[in-house]
Amino acid sequence: KNEVEQSPQNLTAQEGEFITINCSYSVGISALHWLQQHPGGGIVSLFMLSSGKKKHGRLIATINIQEKHSSLHITASHPRDSAVYICAAMGGNQFYFGTGTSLTVIP
Amino acid sequence: NAGVTQTPKFRILKIGQSMTLQCTQDMNHNYMYWYRQDPGMGLKLIYYSVGAGITDKGEVPNGYNVSRSTTEDFPLRLELAAPSQTSVYFCASSYGNRIETQYFGPGTRLLVL
Repeated sequence: KNEVEQSPQNLTAQEGEFITINCSYSVGISALHWLQQHPGGGIVSLFMLSSGKKKHGRLIATINIQEKHSSLHITASHPRDSAVYICAAMGGNQFYFGTGTSLTVIP
Repeated sequence: NAGVTQTPKFRILKIGQSMTLQCTQDMNHNYMYWYRQDPGMGLKLIYYSVGAGITDKGEVPNGYNVSRSTTEDFPLRLELAAPSQTSVYFCASSYGNRIETQYFGPGTRLLVL
């Protein structure tokens, strides 16, 4: 069993749609990260969360520590949002990565 | 700032050969990390360093070695390449402790035949 599970694995949306990607984890954590991996392979850190909610532009990330669950929301999705989104849980000396959600936004 | 740079971008190795993957950051970050990413799998931590002269094992350290003689550089050494080490390798760095935002290099694609 993976310590970090993401859903869905694949997601196709029409431009402008509201998108939600979910992450559940089974370990105690110090922080949770959301990463974006572009089609070319580069990885960018989007958010680091230890509680509550963060917003950056059209991206919103939330975390519920009690339920061990985090969500990444994209409002007014755009084709340039097409990428793989990775959830990573940081606990102690360990890092646990989800396998990613592949998002395709169609114009 | 160039951020985190990695060389080479792509390499083919024969079984048993050795090589060093280079990683350099110019952000004066204390923490540096090496990950591998296999197709369809999540990133896995190989080694990390909390500062010059200090390194520690991650989840999958077997077959690799690291050193951290300077703040800027964190090379990853493969001594006897095996097909199981075919992967994409990412180096990353962060300023403070492990939970802070990590900055990733562009990756090195390694194929062991």
